[in-house]
Amino acid sequence: EAQVTQNPRYLITVTGKKLTVTCSQNMNHEYMSWYRQDPGLGLRQIYYSMNVEVTDKGDVPEGYKVSRKEKRNFPLILESPSPNQTSLYFCASRLRGGQGGVGYEQYFGPGTRLTVT
Amino acid sequence: TQLLEQSPQFLSIQEGENLTVYCNSSSVFSSLQWYRQEPGEGPVLLVTVVTGGEVKKLKRLTFQFGDARKDSSLHITAAQPGDTGLYLCAAFNTNAGKSTFGDGTTLTVKP
Repeated sequence: EAQVTQNPRYLITVTGKKLTVTCSQNMNHEYMSWYRQDPGLGLRQIYYSMNVEVTDKGDVPEGYKVSRKEKRNFPLILESPSPNQTSLYFCASRLRGGQGGVGYEQYFGPGTRLTVT
Repeated sequence: TQLLEQSPQFLSIQEGENLTVYCNSSSVFSSLQWYRQEPGEGPVLLVTVVTGGEVKKLKRLTFQFGDARKDSSLHITAAQPGDTGLYLCAAFNTNAGKSTFGDGTTLTVKP
């Protein structure tokens, strides 16, 4: 089954304790992205990757790191989490792109609800 | 950062009514997407519109892309309780890396 998986689904942690949220896709997609979703603010892009070893900042990258060593995996790293990073996080993947925008459809993981106390 | 403004933010209607959700921007997009998200799940793609003036139908849902490719609308005919959810519009910038989502429209359809 084609899917994007995230782990963990739920995480409660304390300020300053480094954590990693994993993301994996089995669709051989070049593009992967991380978003956070907060009430009233919609989905905001944190980082994206157009291909292996290529990453770039989205709109809200502060406090986050990513890496793309393999095509299928795109982990999100919080080196020193703070309470303002409490949020619902989504990983997504898609084909890199096609003519006229076709191929830009994103497939989302189930989400990771993170609470930082 | 391109901004996508969705309206209304909340919509509560009775089963059988029609509704329209709007997604507007001052920017021109190569394509625009509509997603639906249910509580506890990730967004799921409903449709991608690419050509200015394009109209796409998905059962009772009709999607329209503005002629100038700056805005889009989602019209639902005879809404059903199963249509309840968060509807999001989204677009990519020209290099197809950065993406922008609207704030969403929360639709509740009461039986």
